[in-house]
Amino acid sequence: GDSVTQMEGPVTLSEEAFLTINCTYTATGYPSLFWYVQYPGEGLQLLLKATKADDKGSNKGFEATYRKETTSFHLEKGSVQVSDSAVYFCALSDREYGNKLVFGAGTILRVKS
Amino acid sequence: NAGVTQTPKFQVLKTGQSMTLQCAQDMNHEYMSWYRQDPGMGLRLIHYSVGAGITDQGEVPNGYNVSRSTTEDFPLRLLSAAPSQTSVYFCASSYSSPGRSTEAFFGQGTRLTVV
Repeated sequence: GDSVTQMEGPVTLSEEAFLTINCTYTATGYPSLFWYVQYPGEGLQLLLKATKADDKGSNKGFEATYRKETTSFHLEKGSVQVSDSAVYFCALSDREYGNKLVFGAGTILRVKS
Repeated sequence: NAGVTQTPKFQVLKTGQSMTLQCAQDMNHEYMSWYRQDPGMGLRLIHYSVGAGITDQGEVPNGYNVSRSTTEDFPLRLLSAAPSQTSVYFCASSYSSPGRSTEAFFGQGTRLTVV
C-alpha cells in the first residue's frame, strides 16, 4: 500500500537557521502531496500542497517541490522563527474516492531564540 | 467560523466502557474521516464517509463503529474500550472534487485515555 517516510526528529535549530525536513513516498497511483503542521494543543492545518510533478507548494516562507523521479517532497524554509516550533507531517492522497490521507510519522521542530 | 468541532476534548474511560466521540462540521463537506494519532506513527485512518449514509473502513477500524445520518455529523463509537485505544483522535472533513485531492480541515482533537 501507499506509504510516507519522513525524517525522524526532534529537529532543534536556532532562530534564522535553514530548515529541511525530508519526505519520501511510495504510491501506486499519482498522488497529491501535502505538508500539514500541528501547533501545540491544536489540530492539524494545511501548510502547503502540490498536485503534480514539479509543482512547488509554498506558504509562510515554507516551500516543497513535488519530485516524481525521486518520489520526494522535502520541506524547506530559509530562516526559521521560534513561532515555527511545531510538528510537521508529510502526507499523500491518491485522489481516489474519499480524500483519504496517508501520513508520515511526523517531525518535531524546536526553534531556539 | 466553527469549521470542524469535536467533543469532548479529554476523556478517561475504564476498560470495557463505551462512549461516542462527536464530530460536526458546518462547511457542507461531503467527505469526513476519523484518524488516530499515536507517537511515532503519525495519523492513521480509522473510518471515513463520502456522504450521508455511506461509510467505509480505513487502516485501523477494529473496535470502532461509525454512522453518518447527516452531512454535518460523523460520530465515532467505541463499544468496549481497551487500553490499546488510548490515543488522540482527530476528525477531518473535505469537499469532493472529481479526480483531485482537496484540503482536509481538522478538528482540535479528543485525547482519550483507557485505564
